[in-house]
Amino acid sequence: EDQVTQSPEALRLQEGESSSLNCSYTVSGLRGLFWYRQDPGKGPEFLFTLYSAGEEKEKERLKATLTKKESFLHITAPKPEDSATYLCAVRGYSSASKIIFGSGTRLSIRP
Amino acid sequence: ETGVTQTPRHLVMGMTNKKSLKCEQHLGHNAMYWYKQSAKKPLELMFVYNFKEQTENNSVPSRFSPECPNSSHLFLHLHTLQPEDSALYLCASSQEGGQGAGNEQFFGPGTRLTVL
Repeated sequence: EDQVTQSPEALRLQEGESSSLNCSYTVSGLRGLFWYRQDPGKGPEFLFTLYSAGEEKEKERLKATLTKKESFLHITAPKPEDSATYLCAVRGYSSASKIIFGSGTRLSIRP
Repeated sequence: ETGVTQTPRHLVMGMTNKKSLKCEQHLGHNAMYWYKQSAKKPLELMFVYNFKEQTENNSVPSRFSPECPNSSHLFLHLHTLQPEDSALYLCASSQEGGQGAGNEQFFGPGTRLTVL
């Protein structure tokens, strides 16, 4: 069964303090791993898709990396506006149209 | 309008009411989804429509009834709901098919539903 586990559940950082969020996954044939950002009371906002181990993608202060078992979302010199919940999701070739989401990491950046 | 839109954004209803949630996608996608998001729980997939045909019903109670009249519109009809159905209901769309594509989903802003 496809599974996604995110850690930590919550993370509080000082502005400018870099860190990483973890997404561990098990899937029978990875079709894609997705990162989303979700602000309170809003729908998830798509950030990245990663397809194969070794792949990296960047957007502003965020960088996503992928291995065969986990993905990291690195945040460099974060700002208060980066505060949000970050969701990881996977889709396997055997799960048809179903995407499996993790519970998310709630990130707070203090000024 | 761009992306995925949902109306209403907030809805309060009694247990005996009937209401509908509406979703419209302006991305030219061929698949649409309903998700439920409760506090401190992962997103729960409810229904999937590919090319207007329902391809997945994730053991959702019959008090939730989806309708997909075309590939751009999706409805969720609600009747005799329970207080535990209070949640954020999210609509998403994606483009299915195409080699090598992960087929990421794009979400609407959600409808915050409160059942009294």
